[in-house]
Amino acid sequence: GENVEQHPSTLSVQEGDSAVIKCTYSDSASNYFPWYKQELGKRPQLIIDIRSNVGEKKDQRIAVTLNKTAKHFSLHITETQPEDSAVYFCAASIFGNQFYFGTGTSLTVIP
Amino acid sequence: NAGVTQTPKFQVLKTGQSMTLQCAQDMNHNSMYWYRQDPGMGLRLIYYSASEGTTDKGEVPNGYNVSRLNKREFSLRLESAAPSQTSVYFCASSDAGTGLGGYTFGSGTRLTVV
Repeated sequence: GENVEQHPSTLSVQEGDSAVIKCTYSDSASNYFPWYKQELGKRPQLIIDIRSNVGEKKDQRIAVTLNKTAKHFSLHITETQPEDSAVYFCAASIFGNQFYFGTGTSLTVIP
Repeated sequence: NAGVTQTPKFQVLKTGQSMTLQCAQDMNHNSMYWYRQDPGMGLRLIYYSASEGTTDKGEVPNGYNVSRLNKREFSLRLESAAPSQTSVYFCASSDAGTGLGGYTFGSGTRLTVV
């Protein structure tokens, strides 16, 4: 099955700086890559996703890039704010079936 | 429109006891999933149901059983709970196969087995 690796496991940034989280996947058939944000004690929430026919997608301060050849994708958060502090998970799937998740990145934004 | 509803939110079991976690979705999604979340290990798939009437094992199915009661409901049963099953359990649903959107998660069940 698919194997998704996520780095780093923890990340601290100063407010206003950028944060980058990287994931790699193993199954070249994977074509849908969502990112989830999980605040402490809450459920994961979808924040952005990308399909394999797209190289980059942006939504305000959040962007995701995908390199199909290298089988890696990244989450970029610009102008970080304290409310961005959370655990972020990447995932890979084929057409939205059975997601394989990374192990998560705990992001702390220092005011 | 409640999305995905899980019950209970918290549960403490003694080793060897059984219990069923309930999950229901009102989004007319075909696919439903049960995950467990443990520190440092992310979300691991226990079982999933691609459509009503079908269930399949995920990455960590041992010690669990599931029932897809109808299109809305997907339950997870622990027949004989063990301390290793202490975890946070999430149910999720999706419109899988269409490539549209991701999972919608329930609020989670924090289970402690003593």
